[in-house]
Amino acid sequence: GAGVSQSPSNKVTEKGKDVELRCDPISGHTALYWYRQSLGQGLEFLIYFQGNSAPDKSGLPSDRFSAERTGGSVSTLTIQRTQQEDSAVYLCASSLDGSSNYGYTFGSGTRLTVV
Amino acid sequence: GDSVTQMEGPVTLSEEAFLTINCTYTATGYPSLFWYVQYPGEGLQLLLKATKADDKGSNKGFEATYRKETTSFHLEKGSVQVSDSAVYFCARKAAGNKLTFGGGTRVLVKP
Repeated sequence: GAGVSQSPSNKVTEKGKDVELRCDPISGHTALYWYRQSLGQGLEFLIYFQGNSAPDKSGLPSDRFSAERTGGSVSTLTIQRTQQEDSAVYLCASSLDGSSNYGYTFGSGTRLTVV
Repeated sequence: GDSVTQMEGPVTLSEEAFLTINCTYTATGYPSLFWYVQYPGEGLQLLLKATKADDKGSNKGFEATYRKETTSFHLEKGSVQVSDSAVYFCARKAAGNKLTFGGGTRVLVKP
């Protein structure tokens, strides 16, 4: 597609429920990133996929968070047993390659609210 | 580690004023540097970048020069408009092909 597409744009869930957030990157972009933006905060790195390599999961805050990328394209970020502190905007970005010299193209994000 | 520090906002100024947002980075090598902008209700957009020392990135009247001697990448615009009201993020390439972002600076331009 023309840009990075994320769905849903908004998600309200009850504490303890599982949620799945979807990211559809730009066609042909081999690198895909998930970041989290909490209210009034900067961007926190979560996970990075590059081609068929093992993902860099170093930013995932707990084992309740996981992500996969199927067929080198669409990615899903899953949060199990959601907590109120998980409330944030989850941003997906893709890049032509893993050099990051091109910068990222971001999606509009999924605003997650845990009540 | 790799980090970016930028001035806290909010920065409030009048239309046609001069804008500077300071950004410094940790000096591990010579990383590519970026400025992103987030307009109200929208996602982050790449504003400009510089990939090596003394490079100047520019876009939409904004400029930033890669200064390795001061490890800085300050964003400037000579005459801001109301439409420049947004949150601005400085970022650097980090280890493992990630970008590390500063905390963001909110800019509010009043007519």
